[in-house]
Amino acid sequence: EIVLTQSPATLSLSPGERATLSCRASENIFTYLGWYQQKPGQAPRLLIYDASNRATDTPDRFSGSGSGTDFTLTISSLEPEDFAVYYCQQRKNWPPITFGQGTRLEIK
Amino acid sequence: QVTLKQSGPVLVRPTETLTLTCTVSGFSLRDPKMAVSWVRQPPGKALEWLALIFSNDEVSYSPSLKTRLTISEDISKSQVVLTMTNVDPVDTATYYCAQLPSGDYFNSWGQGTVVAVSA
Repeated sequence: EIVLTQSPATLSLSPGERATLSCRASENIFTYLGWYQQKPGQAPRLLIYDASNRATDTPDRFSGSGSGTDFTLTISSLEPEDFAVYYCQQRKNWPPITFGQGTRLEIK
Repeated sequence: QVTLKQSGPVLVRPTETLTLTCTVSGFSLRDPKMAVSWVRQPPGKALEWLALIFSNDEVSYSPSLKTRLTISEDISKSQVVLTMTNVDPVDTATYYCAQLPSGDYFNSWGQGTVVAVSA
């Protein structure tokens, strides 16, 4: 099973600041990584697929990078609606499909 | 427009069987590249993948829950059904169905079903 470790667990920032979220895989997953945003009481929403491709309707302030075992989701300038929990997910080897434990992005 | 609409109980007794239904529209369960999957999320915790099914009846399960899960589909009704046997309070969670094109990423999600397991 491929384990995904996200850091930090919680990130406290202010609107307008830059956010950098990390996801590390337990083995090489090439670029087979996605990022999701989840707001309270809502289903997750796919933001980024295959490490760096924006999904439909993802604003361009969101960008993904990385390959192999280390990945980053960057939000260039935080908007109030960006404060949420973010999960990474790998699709290289399944079963099982695995998710990270999440990073909570909160308003400072 | 792709939609997934979930139905199922909100309260299940320990040792009983949980049955959840996902009715899809906007895409066909006959599409060989399209899978439907189930994911759950215990309160305050992370997402956990449970199972998926492709139109050719190819199925895959979480190894840790494989013995308790069955996923099936009724193409005529555009429905995917997940059953979980012998539920326990630790199975209390929000359960989601999701579209998984080519088994890659969860593209569209149902609204979620909050399931509590309690006597």
